[in-house]
Amino acid sequence: DTEVTQTPKHLVMGMTNKKSLKCEQHMGHRAMYWYKQKAKKPPELMFVYSYEKLSINESVPSRFSPECPNSSLLNLHLHALQPEDSALYLCASSHTGTSNYYEQYFGPGTRLTVT
Amino acid sequence: AQSVTQPDIHITVSEGASLELRCNYSYGATPYLFWYVQSPGQGLQLLLKYFSGDTLVQGIKGFEAEFKRSQSSFNLRKPSVHWSDAAEYFCAVAGTNFGNEKLTFGTGTRLTIIP
Repeated sequence: DTEVTQTPKHLVMGMTNKKSLKCEQHMGHRAMYWYKQKAKKPPELMFVYSYEKLSINESVPSRFSPECPNSSLLNLHLHALQPEDSALYLCASSHTGTSNYYEQYFGPGTRLTVT
Repeated sequence: AQSVTQPDIHITVSEGASLELRCNYSYGATPYLFWYVQSPGQGLQLLLKYFSGDTLVQGIKGFEAEFKRSQSSFNLRKPSVHWSDAAEYFCAVAGTNFGNEKLTFGTGTRLTIIP
């Protein structure tokens, strides 16, 4: 199984809502990532988890809260978002180790719209 | 800090013609280099990677890339494109320092295939 799954595929939320994005992989990867991608732009790294511990936070606003409950699951909790947070949110995973981190497997993404 | 430049925003190629997408990087040492492809509405897929050794690397879907240190380039090539190759292509660079698990993506090149 070489698939990263993300749910939901689409999400529309108001600025006062709380919602969560979910990501799952069963490839035995111990590193997982959240990226944000705006239209016609490259992905921007948000968070990296390595062995279920947060290892990189790219100065992301606190209205985004990541969680890695186990080695297969990665969540992104959303609260009080702004319209400019509307984007495609991509999850990725990889093996750990110096070069392995960069061979990342991406999910199809969650298209988020904040109204 | 590492960076990568993709000079071509959009390229149009006839089906069956050859393709070359340009990528230039900036990094103080020999970097890790990658090409990822993103089909519309999808996540990214790794096409090929360069870590060290042979400067001509083969990837999936008939793609290859050549690392040229003197030109700081890692151009992607395919001898004959297929309509299914239409997508966004991202070159990416990573540092070789352990603990820096961060891919830096270029701005992408959109490939259009005409019959």
